[in-house]
Amino acid sequence: DVLLVESGGGLVQPGGSLQLSCAASGFAFSASTIHWVRQASGKGLEWVGRIRSKANVYGTAYAASVKGRVTISRDDSKNTAHLQMNSLKTEDTAVYYCTTINDYSAYWGRGTLVTVSS
Amino acid sequence: DIVMTQSPDSLAVSLGERATIDCKSSQTLLYSPNNKNYLAWYQQKPGQPPKLLIYWASTREAGVPDRFSGSGSETDFTLTITSLQAEDVAVYYCQQYYTTPWMFGQGTKVDIK
Repeated sequence: DVLLVESGGGLVQPGGSLQLSCAASGFAFSASTIHWVRQASGKGLEWVGRIRSKANVYGTAYAASVKGRVTISRDDSKNTAHLQMNSLKTEDTAVYYCTTINDYSAYWGRGTLVTVSS
Repeated sequence: DIVMTQSPDSLAVSLGERATIDCKSSQTLLYSPNNKNYLAWYQQKPGQPPKLLIYWASTREAGVPDRFSGSGSETDFTLTITSLQAEDVAVYYCQQYYTTPWMFGQGTKVDIK
């Protein structure tokens, strides 16, 4: 079965940093593009960014709201993707999901909560 | 960016009745080389991640009841629940995956009348 498990969330002060991880299993992780999507409490879904496969030169793209403050990376040897978030703002408070989609389905983790507060 | 607009924002339907949600994109989601529409529908219940219902605009995900169906092409899409059940109470989102940034509709809350 496909499994995506996010970790690394928690409480951080404004201006702080946090690294989220997404551990994957059950599919061809190294060939897959991994996306991060977030959802503030009671709000809709917001795409954060993505990282492509090695075959696509690990290309990254980011939402305008986080560009310059976040970096997505991956370790295909560990089937893991990371979301490094710096200069965090209160408006970054959300549940962060990793997700991937292919020709046959889409897979989402259960998310990890990031709270930015003093 | 491709803007996704859902309507209505909420609706209440009697058990066993039909629910229809529309989704409009600001640009075509039809990729001509493979004739596929890069449009997905999700169901989300409180405290849970989004659950994929439909992809390629009309392909039902495995295990999704056949009362859920998707239709449409290019810029206009519809999710239909033909006979609403109590367990269908949720928020529904459309999403374009034609290009980045992925964009989602604002969500439609479905309740029982």
